[in-house]
Amino acid sequence: DTGVSQNPRHKITKRGQNVTFRCDPISEHNRLYWYRQTLGQGPEFLTYFQNEAQLEKSRLLSDRFSAERPKGSFSTLEIQRTEQGDSAMYLCASSRGDGNEKLFFGSGTQLSVL
Amino acid sequence: RKEVEQDPGPFNVPEGATVAFNCTYSNSASQSFFWYRQDCRKEPKLLMSVFSSGNEDGRFTAQLNRASQYISLLIRDSKLSDSATYLCVVVVLEGSYIPTFGRGTSLIVHP
Repeated sequence: DTGVSQNPRHKITKRGQNVTFRCDPISEHNRLYWYRQTLGQGPEFLTYFQNEAQLEKSRLLSDRFSAERPKGSFSTLEIQRTEQGDSAMYLCASSRGDGNEKLFFGSGTQLSVL
Repeated sequence: RKEVEQDPGPFNVPEGATVAFNCTYSNSASQSFFWYRQDCRKEPKLLMSVFSSGNEDGRFTAQLNRASQYISLLIRDSKLSDSATYLCVVVVLEGSYIPTFGRGTSLIVHP
């Protein structure tokens, strides 16, 4: 499978716990994006990487959120001290980064914070 | 004002109908435009790019109106399988290149 892969598909956690999600982009894609989506809304931008460099973070991304993309390959998104408001679908997408920003999404990680 | 705005719907149409959605954007520097389709509890998938001159892909036609800052999607001869949420995406190709999504328009095609 050469698509974008995300795991886990589902994560249930208790408030205050830390969680980490992983995304494996399409191998030849330079850009990797993280979005968050809640019911009835479109995906909201969180952060993105050009290769291993994190180029921009949304104001939505509090200090409890951190993302990495070591070696410009897979990426991880960590949420520390989760809150109920963090419950959402976390979507990863990748693109070639050649100016034509067609995004290819993974299946997402559905986070539920109890 | 949101950067990208869409009527959430739902649009309820019978099979065979023609339906159109609009999407407005606020940043006049926007240069790339797309429509994505999202099925319930699934990830968004690219439906089509939107070119300045307008473009067609089978039953789907996308158009761009730069002067009024909106894009549109027309679906002809609607099928039951077209039922989904249609997301408008706008990219400003200077600086950060971040694709910005609208909230989506829900389409329900009924028999």
